[in-house]
Amino acid sequence: AQKITQTQPGMFVQEKEAVTLDCTYDTSDPSYGLFWYKQPSSGEMIFLIYQGSYDQQNATEGRYSLNFQKARKSANLVISASQLGDSAMYFCAMREGRTGFQKLVFGTGTRLLVSP
Amino acid sequence: GAGVSQSPSNKVTEKGKDVELRCDPISGHTALYWYRQSLGQGLEFLIYFQGNSAPDKSGLPSDRFSAERTGGSVSTLTIQRTQQEDSAVYLCASRRGLAGGPEDTQYFGPGTRLTVL
Repeated sequence: AQKITQTQPGMFVQEKEAVTLDCTYDTSDPSYGLFWYKQPSSGEMIFLIYQGSYDQQNATEGRYSLNFQKARKSANLVISASQLGDSAMYFCAMREGRTGFQKLVFGTGTRLLVSP
Repeated sequence: GAGVSQSPSNKVTEKGKDVELRCDPISGHTALYWYRQSLGQGLEFLIYFQGNSAPDKSGLPSDRFSAERTGGSVSTLTIQRTQQEDSAVYLCASRRGLAGGPEDTQYFGPGTRLTVL
């Protein structure tokens, strides 16, 4: 069963507008972590934001925020005031368990294109 | 400080040859991971190291794939008798330790793009 689902293969947004990238997850473990990574055309995976399953508040990092709806098992990434440099692939990932080796399970990604 | 580094950045090889991919993790990071990303796909877990031990090798696709880590630092992923389906970007990530939480994130290197002709 797919553990991380990103249903948007591609998204378009105009510069300075906000955009939401969807992510739903599936786990029976009460302790887990959710991550978003950005992968520009250079190929490197850049960590953006983290949300823990026990965190009471939605995570924010600058222009990035995570809309965490635990009951719906969704962890959508919101990018405010989009910039041309935000054009990239975005991956949602999940880590199960509190300790241990904590491998990440990734979704298939969403390609974001920001237009002037 | 320096991030995760990988070498080579690109590798083109002929089918049947062996290749070695290298990963230098962030200094002080005890956990190291190898992932594979095929064209247009997400990342697929290959192997995890804690120190020099590999408690989870479940993602290695066949016995042609092996990896080692020495001195709790550098890791080498070896693919023997390469096949065309091995063509992918191989990404390495490191993590500080076992604590969990936002400060215990996996940080990725730039990857090695392997092309098997």
